[in-house]
Amino acid sequence: AQKVTQAQTEISVVEKEDVTLDCVYETRDTTYYLFWYKQPPSGELVFLIRRNSFDEQNEISGRYSWNFQKSTSSFNFTITASQVVDSAVYFCALSEGDDKIIFGKGTRLHILP
Amino acid sequence: DVKVTQSSRYLVKRTGEKVFLECVQDMDHENMFWYRQDPGLGLRLIYFSYDVKMKEKGDIPEGYSVSREKKERFSLILESASTNQTSMYLCASGARGYTFGSGTRLTVV
Repeated sequence: AQKVTQAQTEISVVEKEDVTLDCVYETRDTTYYLFWYKQPPSGELVFLIRRNSFDEQNEISGRYSWNFQKSTSSFNFTITASQVVDSAVYFCALSEGDDKIIFGKGTRLHILP
Repeated sequence: DVKVTQSSRYLVKRTGEKVFLECVQDMDHENMFWYRQDPGLGLRLIYFSYDVKMKEKGDIPEGYSVSREKKERFSLILESASTNQTSMYLCASGARGYTFGSGTRLTVV
């Protein structure tokens, strides 16, 4: 069965600090997709990234970076030089190719000015 | 700009009422989904559809049904609303990653 675990329920950091959000997944499939979504206070879920299981290259997009490690079944998300606008709930998610996405319970991130 | 539109942002209904939550997408997607989001529980899949007239149960279908008469429209139906269905309902469409609507916050009193 597929499962996504975000062990950090809530994190608070001071602005400009780096912060890493952890995500561990379980799946029996060899082909799968991993995602990160952001949910700001406005409530709408915003797609951030998708990785497929055959591409373990880390990705960087501005202040955001993602570390995908199949050996530890992890897909961690790092925000560098955090800003107040990064305050949101972040969801890690997994799809096994049937296009159903299973979400973790989310990590609420507070960036303190 | 591609969109998933949920007809109501906030809704208050009485216990026992039949409730319709509407979702429309303009991206010609085959796949559409309904989730509910509750604090501490994340997003849980209620129903999904891969094609018109087709529907599949998700993880928590009890108390809900769906309708997909047209490709662009996917409706979630609460047959007899109960207070434990008070929640944020999110519609999504797409494959290999979704576009979400802005959500409907439903309160059942």
